[in-house]
Amino acid sequence: SAVISQKPSRDICQRGTSLTIQCQVDSQVTMMFWYRQQPGQSLTLIATANQGSEATYESGFVIDKFPISRPNLTFSTLTVSNMSPEDSSIYLCSARPQANTEAFFGQGTRLTVV
Amino acid sequence: DAKTTQPNSMESNEEEPVHLPCNHSTISGTDYIHWYRQLPSQGPEYVIHGLTSNVNNRMASLAIAEDRKSSTLILHRATLRDAAVYYCILRDVSGGGSNYKLTFGKGTLLTVNP
Repeated sequence: SAVISQKPSRDICQRGTSLTIQCQVDSQVTMMFWYRQQPGQSLTLIATANQGSEATYESGFVIDKFPISRPNLTFSTLTVSNMSPEDSSIYLCSARPQANTEAFFGQGTRLTVV
Repeated sequence: DAKTTQPNSMESNEEEPVHLPCNHSTISGTDYIHWYRQLPSQGPEYVIHGLTSNVNNRMASLAIAEDRKSSTLILHRATLRDAAVYYCILRDVSGGGSNYKLTFGKGTLLTVNP
């Protein structure tokens, strides 16, 4: 299993600023992912955070807007850049310890952009 | 990506069994069927997964149709804590068997009445 801690749990930010969300896993994991969940909606995959290389982004998401780092096997960050009110969402980190195992999720970061 | 279809919502009474259906008529031969659930204000959590045979674990049972075009998640005795959004997801195998990502649909909102 894996326990995932996300920081901050929530934040209110001014438009035009950036916020970096941290994701810490209590054990080394193979795969890490970042999702967005807009109010009342399902989860949308933003990108796969690759250890030691550039993240793999899904259609509609770009590195300039959502830069991601993954310096090691237990930690990743997602930055939401140049925020607008449309970025108000819950951002969730997910990790899969090994190949073909279940995925674990953090509690999410609730972001409000004003 | 192979898609799934689930009812938007279902209701159940406490301590009664719940059968949550999922249609996946375009499933491919190597797609696994995963179920996750998201309790209010939490990240998703793994429930169960299977390929062809029915599966049981401490949380639920998964019944898979013989043609694999549909499946049913069975909660044997619903509790109030089971009230959640249940997601039926087909494993999207990209870049190799272990590098799959989870694509969430809209899921089924399960309400459990006391």
